[in-house]
Amino acid sequence: GESVGLHLPTLSVQEGDNSIINCAYSNSASDYFIWYKQESGKGPQFIIDIRSNMDKRQGQRVTVLLNKTVKHLSLQIAATQPGDSAVYFCAENTGGFKTIFGAGTRLFVKA
Amino acid sequence: EPEVTQTPSHQVTQMGQEVILRCVPISNHLYFYWYRQILGQKVEFLVSFYNNEISEKSEIFDDQFSVERPDGSNFTLKIRSTKLEDSAMYFCASSARTDGFEAFFGQGTRLTVV
Repeated sequence: GESVGLHLPTLSVQEGDNSIINCAYSNSASDYFIWYKQESGKGPQFIIDIRSNMDKRQGQRVTVLLNKTVKHLSLQIAATQPGDSAVYFCAENTGGFKTIFGAGTRLFVKA
Repeated sequence: EPEVTQTPSHQVTQMGQEVILRCVPISNHLYFYWYRQILGQKVEFLVSFYNNEISEKSEIFDDQFSVERPDGSNFTLKIRSTKLEDSAMYFCASSARTDGFEAFFGQGTRLTVV
């Protein structure tokens, strides 16, 4: 069945450190993965995406890693800042019009 | 920067009443979506809409729900007879889907059914 889940519900990091948020998925047919950031009172905001034919993609301060062998996705945030504090969702898409979101990880950045 | 706008930001309604949630997607986008998020839970897909018809819907999107694009700019979600469990944040999203699935989300409408 379709299932996207997260290993840790909360993550607390020191400002300036790197953050790693993990996600497991179970649908082998998924070919597109997205990370969203949701700040309090706002809608999800696209961060970065990756297709299944890739294993790594970098953006500005963020990197997404995809391990299809173990169906694992991670988001790395370099030099974490207070503004990075939010809930982060991984999401998957099998190529259709339906995107399945994971449960979310809350990131706390300590000053 | 273009954005998806949703109105109202908060809607309180009595159980059994009909509600219409409104969205104005980004103007050059062709794909439209509704999601909901029950407080403290994950974002759940409801429906996608393209070329004036539903392209995909979830099991949540039953006969009580309908969507419409009444003109060239608005995209609405109607719940015919609201239930207590319909209380949630409802997010509209749109995408161009030219080379990816990046969707832009609105700020959401908080629906409270009492």
